[in-house]
Amino acid sequence: QKEVEQDPGPLSVPEGAIVSLNCTYSNSAFQYFMWYRQYSRKGPELLMYTYSSGNKEDGRFTAQVDKSSKYISLFIRDSQPSDSATYLCAIFNAGNNRKLIWGLGTSLAVNP
Amino acid sequence: NAGVTQTPKFQVLKTGQSMTLQCAQDMNHNSMYWYRQDPGMGLRLIYYSASEGTTDKGEVPNGYNVSRLNKREFSLRLESAAPSQTSVYFCASRQDGSNQPQHFGDGTRLSIL
Repeated sequence: QKEVEQDPGPLSVPEGAIVSLNCTYSNSAFQYFMWYRQYSRKGPELLMYTYSSGNKEDGRFTAQVDKSSKYISLFIRDSQPSDSATYLCAIFNAGNNRKLIWGLGTSLAVNP
Repeated sequence: NAGVTQTPKFQVLKTGQSMTLQCAQDMNHNSMYWYRQDPGMGLRLIYYSASEGTTDKGEVPNGYNVSRLNKREFSLRLESAAPSQTSVYFCASRQDGSNQPQHFGDGTRLSIL
């Protein structure tokens, strides 16, 4: 079993839709959860970061962590064509190797 | 503010040729990373450097070498390129601290024929 699982999609939605992107993870010791956005032919950039269970909101974006289920989500409200990108979840392993563990990324297209 | 700069942006090599991918960051970060990104495989860590003068293997180090030339620069070398090394290569840097994100360059697209 991979440490982080993410459905690669692709996901296609109409403009204005609510988008839900999800990842599951296997190690209950993981503590730091990140979402990166990657536009075509660009490097990933940090979108949101959460530490504990619960929700964190930033404009149209909400990151949610459920540690009991080992499940993290990113919600995008009122999606725009400019949100079309690949979204990668990443978990920072603060244990021995202190590395980021990456999901495969979900490709999202928001159609005008 | 340049952030992380990678050169070249594109390169085509023949099997067996060697080349060095360059990466420089201007954010005074201690940690630097080299990844490759392939369809269906995601981002895979090749090598990383926690500080100037130190390097460690990541998930897929075979066929690569690295040099942390100074705090700013971290280069990746392919000694004898193979078609399996065709990929997009990303360099990243990070400030110390558990909640600090990695900052990425825009990648080098490498094709090996």
